[in-house]
Amino acid sequence: EAQVTQNPRYLITVTGKKLTVTCSQNMNHEYMSWYRQDPGLGLRQIYYSMNVEVTDKGDVPEGYKVSRKEKRNFPLILESPSPNQTSLYFCASSLDMYSGNTIYFGEGSWLTVV
Amino acid sequence: GDSVTQMEGPVTLSEEAFLTINCTYTATGYPSLFWYVQYPGEGLQLLLKATKADDKGSNKGFEATYRKETTSFHLEKGSVQVSDSAVYFCALSEGGYQKVTFGIGTKLQVIP
Repeated sequence: EAQVTQNPRYLITVTGKKLTVTCSQNMNHEYMSWYRQDPGLGLRQIYYSMNVEVTDKGDVPEGYKVSRKEKRNFPLILESPSPNQTSLYFCASSLDMYSGNTIYFGEGSWLTVV
Repeated sequence: GDSVTQMEGPVTLSEEAFLTINCTYTATGYPSLFWYVQYPGEGLQLLLKATKADDKGSNKGFEATYRKETTSFHLEKGSVQVSDSAVYFCALSEGGYQKVTFGIGTKLQVIP
Protein backbone atom coordinates (compact mmCIF):
# COMPACT_ATOMS: atom_id res chain seq x y z
CA GLU A 1 0.00 0.00 0.00
CA ALA A 2 1.30 3.41 -1.01
CA GLN A 3 1.84 5.51 2.06
CA VAL A 4 3.71 8.26 3.82
CA THR A 5 4.50 7.35 7.41
CA GLN A 6 5.49 9.87 10.03
CA ASN A 7 6.42 9.43 13.68
CA PRO A 8 5.64 10.28 16.34
CA ARG A 9 1.97 11.05 15.81
CA TYR A 10 1.71 12.89 19.12
CA LEU A 11 4.45 14.50 21.16
CA ILE A 12 4.65 16.88 24.08
CA THR A 13 8.12 18.29 24.70
CA VAL A 14 9.80 21.10 26.59
CA THR A 15 11.34 24.25 25.22
CA GLY A 16 14.88 23.71 23.98
CA LYS A 17 14.88 19.92 23.89
CA LYS A 18 15.92 18.76 20.43
CA LEU A 19 13.50 16.50 18.63
CA THR A 20 13.16 14.77 15.28
CA VAL A 21 9.99 13.88 13.43
CA THR A 22 10.65 11.07 10.99
CA CYS A 23 9.01 10.68 7.59
CA SER A 24 9.22 7.74 5.23
CA GLN A 25 7.53 7.02 1.91
CA ASN A 26 7.36 3.71 0.03
CA MET A 27 6.53 5.03 -3.44
CA ASN A 28 10.05 5.83 -4.68
CA HIS A 29 9.05 9.50 -4.92
CA GLU A 30 11.68 12.09 -5.67
CA TYR A 31 9.89 15.07 -4.14
CA MET A 32 9.19 15.37 -0.42
CA SER A 33 8.16 18.27 1.75
CA TRP A 34 7.08 19.31 5.23
CA TYR A 35 4.11 21.51 6.10
CA ARG A 36 2.71 22.90 9.30
CA GLN A 37 -1.00 23.47 9.75
CA ASP A 38 -2.27 26.20 12.04
CA PRO A 39 -5.82 27.50 12.60
CA GLY A 40 -6.67 30.37 10.30
CA LEU A 41 -3.43 29.96 8.34
CA GLY A 42 -3.95 26.71 6.45
CA LEU A 43 -0.88 24.73 5.45
CA ARG A 44 2.46 26.43 5.09
CA GLN A 45 5.50 24.78 3.61
CA ILE A 46 8.55 24.50 5.85
CA TYR A 47 11.13 22.76 3.67
CA TYR A 48 11.13 20.66 0.55
CA SER A 49 13.47 18.27 -1.21
CA MET A 50 13.60 17.63 -4.93
CA ASN A 51 15.81 14.59 -4.56
CA VAL A 52 18.51 13.01 -2.40
CA GLU A 53 20.88 15.61 -0.98
CA VAL A 54 18.81 18.45 -2.51
CA THR A 55 16.76 20.49 -0.04
CA ASP A 56 15.47 24.05 0.03
CA LYS A 57 13.52 26.41 2.26
CA GLY A 58 9.81 26.82 1.99
CA ASP A 59 7.76 29.68 3.37
CA VAL A 60 8.41 29.20 7.10
CA PRO A 61 11.82 27.50 7.58
CA GLU A 62 13.00 29.36 10.71
CA GLY A 63 13.72 27.02 13.60
CA TYR A 64 13.72 23.85 11.48
CA LYS A 65 16.28 21.68 9.73
CA VAL A 66 15.90 18.80 7.32
CA SER A 67 18.09 16.23 5.64
CA ARG A 68 17.63 13.88 2.70
CA LYS A 69 20.28 11.20 2.80
CA GLU A 70 18.05 8.49 1.38
CA LYS A 71 15.27 8.79 -1.14
CA ARG A 72 12.60 7.34 1.12
CA ASN A 73 13.33 9.36 4.29
CA PHE A 74 12.97 13.06 5.03
CA PRO A 75 13.23 13.82 8.76
CA LEU A 76 12.28 17.18 10.25
CA ILE A 77 14.57 18.39 13.02
CA LEU A 78 13.75 20.99 15.65
CA GLU A 79 17.11 21.83 17.23
CA SER A 80 15.68 24.02 20.00
CA PRO A 81 11.89 23.90 19.96
CA SER A 82 9.90 26.90 21.14
CA PRO A 83 6.20 27.21 22.02
CA ASN A 84 5.44 28.93 18.69
CA GLN A 85 6.34 25.66 16.99
CA THR A 86 3.36 23.98 18.60
CA SER A 87 1.45 22.83 15.55
CA LEU A 88 0.22 19.96 13.41
CA TYR A 89 2.94 18.83 11.01
CA PHE A 90 2.50 16.97 7.74
CA CYS A 91 5.05 15.22 5.61
CA ALA A 92 4.18 14.86 1.92
CA SER A 93 5.64 13.29 -1.20
CA SER A 94 5.02 13.20 -4.92
CA LEU A 95 6.57 11.53 -7.92
CA ASP A 96 8.65 14.55 -8.88
CA MET A 97 8.73 18.31 -8.56
CA TYR A 98 6.36 19.08 -11.40
CA SER A 99 2.87 20.28 -10.65
CA GLY A 100 -0.12 18.17 -11.56
CA ASN A 101 1.29 15.10 -9.81
CA THR A 102 -0.73 13.93 -6.85
CA ILE A 103 0.73 14.85 -3.48
CA TYR A 104 0.48 12.14 -0.84
CA PHE A 105 0.30 13.25 2.78
CA GLY A 106 1.14 11.49 6.00
CA GLU A 107 -1.40 11.35 8.81
CA GLY A 108 0.15 14.23 10.69
CA SER A 109 2.17 14.74 13.86
CA TRP A 110 0.74 16.80 16.69
CA LEU A 111 3.57 18.61 18.44
CA THR A 112 3.16 20.59 21.65
CA VAL A 113 6.09 22.57 23.03
CA VAL A 114 5.67 23.75 26.64
CA GLY B 1 2.83 36.23 -4.61
CA ASP B 2 0.29 33.49 -5.13
CA SER B 3 -2.65 33.25 -2.77
CA VAL B 4 -5.86 31.30 -2.29
CA THR B 5 -8.93 32.66 -0.53
CA GLN B 6 -11.71 30.54 0.96
CA MET B 7 -14.01 30.92 3.93
CA GLU B 8 -12.98 29.11 7.12
CA GLY B 9 -16.45 28.08 8.16
CA PRO B 10 -17.73 25.96 9.68
CA VAL B 11 -20.35 25.36 7.03
CA THR B 12 -23.21 23.35 8.49
CA LEU B 13 -25.64 21.59 6.17
CA SER B 14 -28.35 19.01 6.50
CA GLU B 15 -27.91 15.70 4.74
CA GLU B 16 -28.87 15.84 1.03
CA ALA B 17 -28.41 19.62 0.86
CA PHE B 18 -26.50 21.30 -1.97
CA LEU B 19 -22.94 22.32 -1.18
CA THR B 20 -20.90 25.20 -2.51
CA ILE B 21 -17.53 26.18 -1.08
CA ASN B 22 -16.10 29.24 -2.76
CA CYS B 23 -12.45 29.51 -3.73
CA THR B 24 -10.74 32.38 -5.51
CA TYR B 25 -7.08 32.69 -6.28
CA THR B 26 -4.37 35.13 -7.23
CA ALA B 27 -1.55 33.97 -9.45
CA THR B 28 0.79 35.54 -11.96
CA GLY B 29 0.48 32.83 -14.59
CA TYR B 30 -1.66 29.81 -15.32
CA PRO B 31 -1.77 27.63 -12.23
CA SER B 32 -3.08 24.13 -11.71
CA LEU B 33 -5.92 24.11 -9.18
CA PHE B 34 -6.77 21.48 -6.59
CA TRP B 35 -9.22 20.57 -3.89
CA TYR B 36 -7.89 18.48 -1.02
CA VAL B 37 -10.00 16.92 1.73
CA GLN B 38 -8.93 16.19 5.30
CA TYR B 39 -11.12 13.77 7.25
CA PRO B 40 -10.90 13.89 11.07
CA GLY B 41 -7.59 12.55 12.33
CA GLU B 42 -6.17 12.00 8.87
CA GLY B 43 -3.84 13.66 6.40
CA LEU B 44 -4.94 15.49 3.29
CA GLN B 45 -6.11 13.57 0.23
CA LEU B 46 -6.46 14.89 -3.28
CA LEU B 47 -10.18 15.22 -4.09
CA LEU B 48 -10.00 16.68 -7.60
CA LYS B 49 -7.91 18.89 -9.80
CA ALA B 50 -7.96 20.97 -13.00
CA THR B 51 -4.91 22.02 -14.93
CA LYS B 52 -6.23 24.56 -17.42
CA ALA B 53 -9.03 27.05 -17.92
CA ASP B 54 -12.56 25.62 -18.33
CA ASP B 55 -11.44 22.18 -17.15
CA LYS B 56 -13.83 20.50 -14.75
CA GLY B 57 -12.47 18.25 -12.05
CA SER B 58 -14.79 15.70 -10.50
CA ASN B 59 -14.65 12.89 -7.96
CA LYS B 60 -17.03 11.24 -5.49
CA GLY B 61 -19.89 13.50 -6.62
CA PHE B 62 -17.88 16.68 -6.10
CA GLU B 63 -17.16 19.03 -9.00
CA ALA B 64 -15.19 22.20 -9.58
CA THR B 65 -14.62 24.20 -12.76
CA TYR B 66 -11.50 26.26 -13.45
CA ARG B 67 -12.77 29.77 -14.25
CA LYS B 68 -9.93 31.94 -15.43
CA GLU B 69 -12.11 35.01 -16.05
CA THR B 70 -13.25 35.09 -12.42
CA THR B 71 -10.09 33.42 -10.98
CA SER B 72 -12.29 30.93 -9.16
CA PHE B 73 -12.51 27.19 -8.51
CA HIS B 74 -15.66 26.69 -6.46
CA LEU B 75 -16.40 23.23 -5.07
CA GLU B 76 -19.93 21.86 -5.47
CA LYS B 77 -21.85 18.73 -4.60
CA GLY B 78 -25.49 18.15 -5.29
CA SER B 79 -26.36 16.10 -2.21
CA VAL B 80 -24.02 15.91 0.77
CA GLN B 81 -23.81 13.01 3.19
CA VAL B 82 -22.74 12.84 6.83
CA SER B 83 -19.58 11.09 5.63
CA ASP B 84 -18.60 14.24 3.72
CA SER B 85 -17.94 16.05 6.99
CA ALA B 86 -14.32 17.14 6.73
CA VAL B 87 -12.07 20.11 6.10
CA TYR B 88 -11.71 21.10 2.44
CA PHE B 89 -8.63 22.91 1.16
CA CYS B 90 -8.41 24.78 -2.11
CA ALA B 91 -4.88 24.97 -3.50
CA LEU B 92 -2.88 26.05 -6.50
CA SER B 93 0.45 25.17 -8.05
CA GLU B 94 2.12 27.43 -10.53
CA GLY B 95 5.02 27.44 -12.92
CA GLY B 96 5.15 23.71 -13.40
CA TYR B 97 6.70 23.18 -9.99
CA GLN B 98 5.33 21.33 -6.98
CA LYS B 99 5.15 24.44 -4.81
CA VAL B 100 1.58 24.32 -3.64
CA THR B 101 -0.18 27.26 -2.02
CA PHE B 102 -3.09 26.26 0.19
CA GLY B 103 -6.12 28.17 1.38
CA ILE B 104 -6.97 28.17 5.08
CA GLY B 105 -9.42 25.28 4.75
CA THR B 106 -13.22 25.21 5.10
CA LYS B 107 -14.75 22.95 7.70
CA LEU B 108 -17.93 21.22 6.56
CA GLN B 109 -20.33 19.67 9.04
CA VAL B 110 -23.21 17.61 7.68
CA ILE B 111 -25.95 16.75 10.14
CA PRO B 112 -28.47 13.92 9.69
